[in-house]
Amino acid sequence: QSVLTQPPSVSGAPGQRVTISCTGGSSNLGAGYDVHWYQQVPGTAPKLLIYAINDRPSGVPDRFSGSKSGASASLAISGLQAEDEAEYYCQSYDSYLRSRVFGGGTKLTVL
Amino acid sequence: QITLKESGPTLVKPTQTLTLTCTFSGFSLTTRGVGVGWIRQSPGKAPEWLALIYWDDDKPYSASLKSRLTITKDTSKNQVVLTMTNMDPVDTATYYCAHRRLDSGWPNDAFDVWGQGTMVTVSS
Repeated sequence: QSVLTQPPSVSGAPGQRVTISCTGGSSNLGAGYDVHWYQQVPGTAPKLLIYAINDRPSGVPDRFSGSKSGASASLAISGLQAEDEAEYYCQSYDSYLRSRVFGGGTKLTVL
Repeated sequence: QITLKESGPTLVKPTQTLTLTCTFSGFSLTTRGVGVGWIRQSPGKAPEWLALIYWDDDKPYSASLKSRLTITKDTSKNQVVLTMTNMDPVDTATYYCAHRRLDSGWPNDAFDVWGQGTMVTVSS
């Protein structure tokens, strides 16, 4: 059971906008630590999608954006495409566990 | 171009020690701000951060696994080695090494380049 809670699944039709939440607590997101987001296609390594709440590495489309408020963070994907179907994970730091921590993951299905 | 590649045994017996090597290129672990981390992922589960080693030899470990982990670097060979003692079937996972993004905040490092991963099965 991760200290960062994500919905197990979300879905949307091509072209739509979806959001994936990541809910933490007072020892991680609520303590002001940044959140990062990764995309993982089955059989491949996770790929950094968003870092430091809302920064995109070079090459990541601006359809992907992040936000954070208090102990919760969100990843938004607009203009949904079939290639966005993947597992998405949030990551932060937990001061109680003294560890970098990942959320449980959210499977995005493009209908 | 930054690349990382993990190597090590695919099968270990319970109670044995696992030694994994991450060989990287495109950066140096002597450069300020550089770090390499190990993350594992059990089948169907979320990634789990294990350890990280920085350019200055600082070595944070997962608190839950600290007693079993050792991370070291060999800057002349561009390698990072992770050892995990007393392996158990629950340690069966794909083990990844990853490059710490240079402008990451501390201690909340982001991992921007990952190796392909190496699958380790623990079974007698």
